[in-house]
Amino acid sequence: SAVISQKPSRDICQRGTSLTIQCQVDSQVTMMFWYRQQPGQSLTLIATANQGSEATYESGFVIDKFPISRPNLTFSTLTVSNMSPEDSSIYLCSAQASYNEQFFGPGTRLTVL
Amino acid sequence: SQQGEEDPQALSIQEGENATMNCSYKTSINNLQWYRQNSGRGLVHLILIRSNEREKHSGRLRVTLDTSKKSSSLLITASRAADTASYFCATDRSNTGKLIFGQGTTLQVKP
Repeated sequence: SAVISQKPSRDICQRGTSLTIQCQVDSQVTMMFWYRQQPGQSLTLIATANQGSEATYESGFVIDKFPISRPNLTFSTLTVSNMSPEDSSIYLCSAQASYNEQFFGPGTRLTVL
Repeated sequence: SQQGEEDPQALSIQEGENATMNCSYKTSINNLQWYRQNSGRGLVHLILIRSNEREKHSGRLRVTLDTSKKSSSLLITASRAADTASYFCATDRSNTGKLIFGQGTTLQVKP
């Protein structure tokens, strides 16, 4: 298994600002991902965080809005840029461990005013 | 787009009863994983079942997979109030780790 931590756990931000969310895994993993969970909804994959190269974004998500870094095999950041109230969601990072099991962090609850 | 649909959307049972949640998906998969989420917090990994497996057990949890029907079920036996949570299935179609989640089932276990 993999133990994942995220910072911050929650934040309240003003419209037009940006927030960077950090994700730390307790072991080296090949695959890391970022998901969004809008209020009352299920999870949607934002992107795959690739170590040493640009993230791979899913349809509907773009790098300018959600820049992602992955400098090594245990750490990744997601920035939510130029925020609007529609960005209010829980953002979760995940890591794929051995046997393809995917583990999630505790999430970052973002509220944009 | 969502790969899976889960039913029921909401389930309310008494402590001690069994709870069954179903998940259907649209395309072939490599594996299917079940998760629990308490009150909008992070997801807890419950079970992974591969496409060549039909049933797996973990404690009070039993997961079945029927690839011919493109469906899976999660059975929680002897439920407890602490099992109250939302349960999600997630499929990995191509072993890329890119999970597609169902809409989830909200389970309430009354003491």
